[in-house]
Amino acid sequence: DAGVIQSPRHEVTEMGQEVTLRCKPISGHDYLFWYRQTMMRGLELLIYFNNNVPIDDSGMPEDRFSAKMPNASFSTLKIQPSEPRDSAVYFCASSLGLMGEQYFGPGTRLTVT
Amino acid sequence: DQQVKQNSPSLSVQEGRISILNCDYTNSMFDYFLWYKKYPAEGPTFLISISSIKDKNEDGRFTVFLNKSAKHLSLHIVPSQPGDSAVYFCAAHAGGSNYKLTFGKGTLLTVNP
Repeated sequence: DAGVIQSPRHEVTEMGQEVTLRCKPISGHDYLFWYRQTMMRGLELLIYFNNNVPIDDSGMPEDRFSAKMPNASFSTLKIQPSEPRDSAVYFCASSLGLMGEQYFGPGTRLTVT
Repeated sequence: DQQVKQNSPSLSVQEGRISILNCDYTNSMFDYFLWYKKYPAEGPTFLISISSIKDKNEDGRFTVFLNKSAKHLSLHIVPSQPGDSAVYFCAAHAGGSNYKLTFGKGTLLTVNP
């Protein structure tokens, strides 16, 4: 298996623009997680899905952030409008079972100018 | 409020010596603890874990110790190798319906040849 795939790997955008990050989990995994890593706050869980259904989105910072999982092999994290403080590395991870080992993608480095 | 704290941002050791990475937590509901390793431009990868019913878990060169009364855990790497140079994240969760993997900010380990 190719592992968790994220795209793009790098994204540079201007403040106010819409940003969409993409994730393909490992085939057969039933949980998908979105994390954000910043210097100030470290690695934080934003939201997670089970069988394509959002279970806990309490980590989503504000309404500008939204996440969807239309099918078992694809998820998006959208920021609209983006702000400079959203600059971070965003990771997607998937697991088999809630307590299963989480496999992380390589991350998307987002820079909002 | 950081529930999982890694107070040493960096650690440097000589090849062949022991590396000890420390982690403290404040949430007494945490009952499962994990260590992840992260190389630059890659996502974190699972390294070793320990349940709160144990005080030690060993896997090859890696051993995790848990002191519940002190709310402290440590990762020992013996002997350290240059390939161990990476950022190490401590993580914890409470399990059950309160599941949420909470990470520390990480410790950069450098193993010098």
